[in-house]
Amino acid sequence: DAKTTQPPSMDCAEGRAANLPCNHSTISGNEYVYWYRQIHSQGPQYIIHGLKNNETNEMASLIITEDRKSSTLILPHATLRDTAVYYCIVRAYNDYKLSFGAGTTVTVRA
Amino acid sequence: NAGVTQTPKFRILKIGQSMTLQCAQDMNHNYMYWYRQDPGMGLKLIYYSVGAGITDKGEVPNGYNVSRSTTEDFPLRLELAAPSQTSVYFCASSTTGVDSPLHFGNGTRLTVT
Repeated sequence: DAKTTQPPSMDCAEGRAANLPCNHSTISGNEYVYWYRQIHSQGPQYIIHGLKNNETNEMASLIITEDRKSSTLILPHATLRDTAVYYCIVRAYNDYKLSFGAGTTVTVRA
Repeated sequence: NAGVTQTPKFRILKIGQSMTLQCAQDMNHNYMYWYRQDPGMGLKLIYYSVGAGITDKGEVPNGYNVSRSTTEDFPLRLELAAPSQTSVYFCASSTTGVDSPLHFGNGTRLTVT
């Protein structure tokens, strides 16, 4: 059963912020939200993760709604190198594994 | 650190042949994983290991075997290759705990004909 729902694709203009939505309406209290991306069939790359609070690192920001049923990954200034498939994953506290869905194919256009 | 290293990068097998996909990590991670990715699809977990000597099945273990004799290495064995095993195989590792991200290798592209 899919734990997350993401749009299959989206476009973004270079230099603009890219906002990637993810719905996880059945998330449990002990489940984290993880974001990974996969560039051109390379191995997936970790971006960011969070439990309740918003998080920011050098790559992106993660905004989680107060009810935790959805989240948004923000790439603040998208570049052409950000073109990739982005995966939103819900991971339980006692689950060491990641389950990947189909993700969102993000195309950054010049 | 080299991170997670997978060999070979590419391989073509004939039906019925066997091979071992190698995976090594130099980050002293306890947890290691094997995923496969079919064209246009997400990754599916084949096997994982929480430490040396301990392995467990993932979503799609049929046709594969693993062993974990050391912390560093986690080889994946295909005994009787079938066309359905044509895929890209990714190895990953992580430290203990759910709050630790997985680090992936760059994959082995396997074609079975």
